[in-house]
Amino acid sequence: NAGVTQTPKFRVLKTGQSMTLLCAQDMNHEYMYWYRQDPGMGLRLIHYSVGEGTTAKGEVPDGYNVSRLKKQNFLLGLESAAPSQTSVYFCASSYSRLAGELFFGEGSRLTVL
Amino acid sequence: GEDVEQSLFLSVREGDSSVINCTYTDSSSTYLYWYKQEPGAGLQLLTYIFSNMDMKQDQRLTVLLNKKDKHLSLRIADTQTGDSAIYFCAESENTGTASKLTFGTGTRLQVTL
Repeated sequence: NAGVTQTPKFRVLKTGQSMTLLCAQDMNHEYMYWYRQDPGMGLRLIHYSVGEGTTAKGEVPDGYNVSRLKKQNFLLGLESAAPSQTSVYFCASSYSRLAGELFFGEGSRLTVL
Repeated sequence: GEDVEQSLFLSVREGDSSVINCTYTDSSSTYLYWYKQEPGAGLQLLTYIFSNMDMKQDQRLTVLLNKKDKHLSLRIADTQTGDSAIYFCAESENTGTASKLTFGTGTRLQVTL
């Protein structure tokens, strides 16, 4: 019973490097989200997807790109990492447009030097 | 935009009641949520309340909603050490395509013996 799985769980990057965070869910959920969590700021929505092949911008999308080629996967990309992107990233999914019950992954801690 | 505010820290003794407070700004929110984040883990939905309710009780948890003041609280009765975590309140913004949650900054609950 995996739920939402994020890989990798930890990563250290140098400024300017690129990387992709992978989120996989096995619950057949339509909606998927990427959040970042920073101290004293709660969770902020980066991008989200309402179904396979769709993506939309959230509150803090700059510097990130996403893709949802398969329903079960939602990828978050950093093309040129910056120290301001040091954060803990959480992927979440939900089964309904109106459902506030988000199922979260365990998080991916990213450090950009 | 929506803004959800919480105090950052609360310390209580084991067996006492804990009250975590939250204020929100979006009066059109249909549901308001409480999520719990244990160390090193993602967020888990704890409980929620529909906006036309004043109170909801679920075992040791009581949620109170004051719509006039846009104030939400979570009371945990007989607080245990296992309740130590970060608690986030969240309000939902139902757009045409997705239900997006705006999270507060989180309140870290410390339970002492």
